[in-house]
Amino acid sequence: EFVLTQSPATLSLSPGERAILSCRASQSIDRYLAWFQQKPGQPPRLLIYDASSRASDVPARFSASGSGTDFTLTITSLEPEDFAVYYCQQRRFLFTFGPGTRVEIK
Amino acid sequence: QVQLQESGPGLVKPSETLSLTCTVSGGSMNDYYWTWIRQTPEKGLEWIGYIYHSGYTMYNPSVKSRVTISIDTSKSQFSLGLTSVTTADTAVYYCVRYAVDVVTGFDFWGRGTQVTVSS
Repeated sequence: EFVLTQSPATLSLSPGERAILSCRASQSIDRYLAWFQQKPGQPPRLLIYDASSRASDVPARFSASGSGTDFTLTITSLEPEDFAVYYCQQRRFLFTFGPGTRVEIK
Repeated sequence: QVQLQESGPGLVKPSETLSLTCTVSGGSMNDYYWTWIRQTPEKGLEWIGYIYHSGYTMYNPSVKSRVTISIDTSKSQFSLGLTSVTTADTAVYYCVRYAVDVVTGFDFWGRGTQVTVSS
């Protein structure tokens, strides 16, 4: 069974700090990975597609990398609006989402 | 700007059929995959299935025996039908556009609609 895992489950940081989020796939998914941001009461918002390409209107402080089974989303300097839950999602084997990483204010 | 809006009953009885419709505005339905995704606190985000503008469908094996997605491009709508629902189908249901051009991914989402399965 294909599984996406994310770590950590929760990241407690202050505005201005760097956030590094991890997503790991149980099998290689090449670069078929996306990242989403979700705020309370809102749908997920596409941030990154194909492992490292920023979607429209996504600020440059969001960057991502990885291929195969290990992927990373980096937010270089957290803004107040960046505190949210982040999901990775793969499209190599149909579509599945990771369980999410909550980035909270320390 | 493309917009999607879910509509349908917020309460469905166990064993009955959940029916939702998504109305798309601000863009063509051609050349995109129109998708249903649901979210629960317990299971997180789950892809249910999609339909291409031509009518081609693909479903998640976990619900494949119970789900039908249909499309009416003349009305700019697509629909979800999920039969024999249980409390496990209680979720926020999102209709979503899946693009496969310059951007490949779930790029536009509806606001979501809460569906509760309860007698």
